Amino acid sequence: IAGITQAPTSQILAAGRRMTLRCTQDMRHNAMYWYRQDLGLGLRLIHYSNTAGTTGKGEVPDGYSVSRANTDDFPLTLASAVPSQTSVYFCASSAMMNTEAFFGQGTRLTVV
Amino acid sequence: AQSVTQLDSQVPVFEEAPVELRCNYSSSVSVYLFWYVQYPNQGLQLLLKYLSGSTLVKGINGFEAEFNKSQTSFHLRKPSVHISDTAEYFCAVSLTGNQFYFGTGTSLTVIP
Repeated sequence: IAGITQAPTSQILAAGRRMTLRCTQDMRHNAMYWYRQDLGLGLRLIHYSNTAGTTGKGEVPDGYSVSRANTDDFPLTLASAVPSQTSVYFCASSAMMNTEAFFGQGTRLTVV
Repeated sequence: AQSVTQLDSQVPVFEEAPVELRCNYSSSVSVYLFWYVQYPNQGLQLLLKYLSGSTLVKGINGFEAEFNKSQTSFHLRKPSVHISDTAEYFCAVSLTGNQFYFGTGTSLTVIP
């Protein structure tokens, strides 16, 4: 089934540890995004990529890094996790600028 | 700067009654507008979008929204709700920079 796959679905992580959230899409979309969803704050953009080889910072990029080596994959890395990074993380993609975004099922991350 | 305001964090409504979920945005440039729905423990699914043309937009599941440029609003409506409409609803705007900005969400609860 075409779409976006995120892994893992949930994770408990010790503070200070490094963690990479994986995101793969098979729709050949140019643009990809990472959001975090927190109660009362909605979804906030962490990083985005308009096309393979390019990335940009969103609203809340601190503590996160991304790479876009190819069209399909857009991993999000927490270099040294902190409890404030406890959240639900969603990866999304869109075919072109300003078209609708398609979302993965999310990764629930708890940093303790 | 741009922002999205969803005026109601929670909306309870009886089954088969009409509902309106409010969304206002602020932007100094033209935007594209979206409504997404999120069912429990799932990702976001597109309900409808406004890119251009008719200001009344029809989406899936009987929802519609009207773009009002003078009031910078994009309210979501449904004439008769069902139990299955219970979910979180997010309004979003997109700029030419290919970034989506989301509101904080409205929790719709349909009461039998």
